[in-house]
Amino acid sequence: AQSVTQLGSHVSVSEGALVLLRCNYSSSVPPYLFWYVQYPNQGLQLLLKYTSAATLVKGINGFEAEFKKSETSFHLTKPSAHMSDAAEYFCAVKGGGYQKVTFGTGTKLQVIP
Amino acid sequence: DGGITQSPKYLFRKEGQNVTLSCEQNLNHDAMYWYRQDPGQGLRLIYYSQIVNDFQKGDIAEGYSVSREKKESFPLTVTSAQKNPTAFYLCASTYVGGGTDTQYFGPGTRLTVL
Repeated sequence: AQSVTQLGSHVSVSEGALVLLRCNYSSSVPPYLFWYVQYPNQGLQLLLKYTSAATLVKGINGFEAEFKKSETSFHLTKPSAHMSDAAEYFCAVKGGGYQKVTFGTGTKLQVIP
Repeated sequence: DGGITQSPKYLFRKEGQNVTLSCEQNLNHDAMYWYRQDPGQGLRLIYYSQIVNDFQKGDIAEGYSVSREKKESFPLTVTSAQKNPTAFYLCASTYVGGGTDTQYFGPGTRLTVL
């Protein structure tokens, strides 16, 4: 069985401040982990993915995430928030032998000017 | 450009009607998926297909049906048996055997029951 927990359904940061979106996972096998971003009324866009090659993963738009096995975490960070970062972010895990992915419930990021 | 298209973008259904949502991909992906998205609930898997002429139920298949007659197409029918169909529907696809099997998403269809 696998699952994902995203802490905080809503996060607000000031423009220029650090963005930290939390994700904890459970998986019975070494996981693949993903972060997606969704803008209103649009599909999901892949930000970054962990494939066991490196624990610190860099993605698009200045985002990065660090895989910490001991904490079963894959938190998403960005050093300086931009107004265009306001969106909903989804963490996802894939651990099974077939192509089923489990998504978290999402975190809406608000950026305050 | 390769990608996934969904149509229509907005769809309105009357009570008791069946409606079909279109999903087409030109990425040459093997597997395709349908998700339902409701506020605060993330994405829930309705159906998925790993190969033409084969598909499996996901977590919330009741009231939905699919077909996979062509590799490029995976239409979803929302039947009158689905009691609460108002939601945002997302189609995704992935190449099987590529390791992470990253899912790529279409732009979505918003279905509203009148």
